[in-house]
Amino acid sequence: QQQVRQSPQSLTVWEGETAILNCSYEDSTFNYFPWYQQFPGEGPALLISIRSVSDKKEDGRFTIFFNKREKKLSLHITDSQPGDSATYFCAAENTNTGKLTFGDGTVLTVKP
Amino acid sequence: EAAVTQSPRSKVAVTGGKVTLSCHQTNNHDYMYWYRQDTGHGLRLIHYSYVADSTEKGDIPDGYKASRPSQENFSLILELASLSQTAVYFCASSSGVENTLYFGAGTRLSVL
Repeated sequence: QQQVRQSPQSLTVWEGETAILNCSYEDSTFNYFPWYQQFPGEGPALLISIRSVSDKKEDGRFTIFFNKREKKLSLHITDSQPGDSATYFCAAENTNTGKLTFGDGTVLTVKP
Repeated sequence: EAAVTQSPRSKVAVTGGKVTLSCHQTNNHDYMYWYRQDTGHGLRLIHYSYVADSTEKGDIPDGYKASRPSQENFSLILELASLSQTAVYFCASSSGVENTLYFGAGTRLSVL
């Protein structure tokens, strides 16, 4: 059973455009949602995160929008750059157990 | 800088053989994790640990054992390796819930 779902599987945007990556979850006990960025041949690295008490988190060109009622969140990357080309993973944590569950990822390609 | 070191970086194993993947962290973190990454499946949690000498089952523990002999070291053991266990394995550490996971560079395992 997939507890964290991401869409689309892959996304291509032009440099300067806004990329929107979507994520949804099922388990109501999830209350912390980090996004990780992974480049080929490397391990994932934390990009930005949000707690369920917030509905928005911004860090430079990266913004998370969170809808607790619908159990959905999205990552917006404004002014996309070719260096943003990577795989982005949405994750959800059950803070009672410390267990972090990842989605299958979205492969983002930014064309110059 | 946080450091998680995995060894070996790649390994070829025979079906039915025993495989041990090692992970060492110098972050002084209590939590350590083993994830498996397959194309199209993102990262799936195999085992994790929040204290030395204790391990917890993740989402896909079957066919794997874990060992946490010290705070710094966390091993993943495949007693009888199978073809289906061919994947990239990532180790990670964190200081606790709602905290950043620091990933190693991964171990590429091929079971033939």
